[in-house]
Amino acid sequence: GENVEQHPSTLSVQEGDSAVIKCTYSDSASNYFPWYKQELGKRPQLIIDIRSNVGEKKDQRIAVTLNKTAKHFSLHITETQPEDSAVYFCAASNPYGGSYIPTFGRGTSLIVHP
Amino acid sequence: DSGVTQTPKHLITATGQRVTLRCSPRSGDLSVYWYQQSLDQGLQFLIQYYNGEERAKGNILERFSAQQFPDLHSELNLSSLELGDSALYFCASSASDIGEAFFGQGTRLTVV
Repeated sequence: GENVEQHPSTLSVQEGDSAVIKCTYSDSASNYFPWYKQELGKRPQLIIDIRSNVGEKKDQRIAVTLNKTAKHFSLHITETQPEDSAVYFCAASNPYGGSYIPTFGRGTSLIVHP
Repeated sequence: DSGVTQTPKHLITATGQRVTLRCSPRSGDLSVYWYQQSLDQGLQFLIQYYNGEERAKGNILERFSAQQFPDLHSELNLSSLELGDSALYFCASSASDIGEAFFGQGTRLTVV
């Protein structure tokens, strides 16, 4: 099955700095890569996703890059703000008997200091 | 609000007991996923249903079972509960087998 590794487990930055979270996956058949943000005590929420037919996608201050050859993808947050503080999960979704099951990384706790 | 509803929000029960967690997916979503999130752990995939049929199984214990009903709501049954089953259980739904999953607010299960 798919295995997703996520680094770092904790990331501490100053407000205004950039933050980068990296993930690798094992199954070359994976072709959908969502990122979720989970604030304390709340549900994971999709913030951005990328499919294997593109290499980069941007939405305001967040961007995701994908390198299918190396099987890794990254989340970039620019001009971080205290409200960006949360746990971020990457996921890789690969076909499983025709169904795409998101396999999640263990999460990165992002702390943005004012 | 993601449109996915889970009940109850909190559940405290004793070891050896059985509980049922309920999930109502977003209107029109056919696919339901169940995930377990333990302390310091990521989201562990348990099982997926699609339009009433089991589609995929992950690391789900034999003591756990699930089903999806004709109205598309789903239930996760946990039996012979152990202390280690204490976790946050999330349900997510999506419109198809492919694409983004929308999560409910979770059920926090505490086994004492």
